[in-house]
Amino acid sequence: KAGVTQTPRYLIKTRGQQVTLSCSPISGHRSVSWYQQTPGQGLQFLFEYFSETQRNKGNFPGRFSGRQFSNSRSEMNVSTLELGDSALYLCASREADAHGELFFGEGSRLTVL
Amino acid sequence: DAKTTQPPSMDCAEGRAANLPCNHSTISGNEYVYWYRQIHSQGPQYIIHGLKNNETNEMASLIITEDRKSSTLILPHATLRDTAVYYCIVRATGFQKLVFGTGTRLLVSP
Repeated sequence: KAGVTQTPRYLIKTRGQQVTLSCSPISGHRSVSWYQQTPGQGLQFLFEYFSETQRNKGNFPGRFSGRQFSNSRSEMNVSTLELGDSALYLCASREADAHGELFFGEGSRLTVL
Repeated sequence: DAKTTQPPSMDCAEGRAANLPCNHSTISGNEYVYWYRQIHSQGPQYIIHGLKNNETNEMASLIITEDRKSSTLILPHATLRDTAVYYCIVRATGFQKLVFGTGTRLLVSP
């Protein structure tokens, strides 16, 4: 099976711009989660989607949003980028089993200038 | 906030067993103990999880104390490729987020 695929792997944006990141989960996985990793805050949960519905959300401002499509692929969007949004954004998928293991992608590294 | 406490760093000689401790004294009855690791610049990798019984897979063993307030991840024969940050996480079932703490940075040396 192919793993979790995230695109793009690296991108550079400027303050005020917006960005969309994409995640393709492992085939058959219906749950997709997003995490932000920064040197100062570590790994922090953004949100989780299951069957196109957001099931859980972390403590991030409304500039961070996401969605999931019927094929389980997911996108997250960050609007009005700030310097502090520079981070590694990680996507993870799992099977429908509620306590199944998470499989993480390699991440999208966003740099905001 | 993270519900676990781990030492910030540990060293291990290649070929020896690496025993990584984790305290989770406030764990609830429905919360599992998960271990993940993150090798530099890669996404976290699932290692193992358990509820109250000891667990073993091809990567590691998980020993959970009887009162479930602490656990130990055992890498039986550490290799240089096991150098990583190891995260111990407690999580209930359902759509509960993983709360990552600061983890233990394990350095395996020749």
